[in-house]
Amino acid sequence: EIVMTQSPATLSVSPGERATLSCRASQSVSSKLAWYHHKPGQPPRLLIHGASTRATDIPARFSGSGSGTEFTLTISSLQSEDFAVYYCQQYGNWPLTFGQGTKVEIK
Amino acid sequence: QVQLQQWGAGLLKTSETLSLTCAVYGGSFSAYYWSWIRQPPGKGLEWIGEINDRGSATYNPSLKSRVTISGDTSRSQFSLKLTSVTAADTAVYYCASQWLGGGSYFDPWGQGTLVTVSS
Repeated sequence: EIVMTQSPATLSVSPGERATLSCRASQSVSSKLAWYHHKPGQPPRLLIHGASTRATDIPARFSGSGSGTEFTLTISSLQSEDFAVYYCQQYGNWPLTFGQGTKVEIK
Repeated sequence: QVQLQQWGAGLLKTSETLSLTCAVYGGSFSAYYWSWIRQPPGKGLEWIGEINDRGSATYNPSLKSRVTISGDTSRSQFSLKLTSVTAADTAVYYCASQWLGGGSYFDPWGQGTLVTVSS
């Protein structure tokens, strides 16, 4: 099983600032990496797939990069609705696995 | 645009069988894989398994001995059964879709069902 490790566990950011989240895979997943945004009481929402392709209707302030084992999600200017938990997920190998999440909170 | 609506019992006793169903609206059942994912309270997301329109299922080895995912193409529905539940199976359970033309990432998701297992 591929283990996904996200860092940091919690990120405190002021509105309007930039946030950078990391995700590391225990072995290469090529570019088969997705990012999700998850708010309490709602299902997770797909942000990025293929490591860097924004999903439908996702704002341009969200960008993803990386390949192999190291990936980054950047939110260029945090809006109020962006404060949530973010998960990465690899789909290069089965079983499909998620990172443990990064909580982005208001500073 | 695919939409998913899920339902099932939310309160179970230890050793009972969890049963959830997810209905697919607005998309071709054969164009996707269909998955179940869960999130225990305060923890991360765990993929349970997936099924395609031909009824071929793949499960997470961690749950494989207790899980069955089945599909009904005529009704555009798929279901999850998890036997011999314990308190460790308490979680929000989500159904989700994976478009065959993309990759095995999940979009969209069902609304989630909180399943609580008590003794």
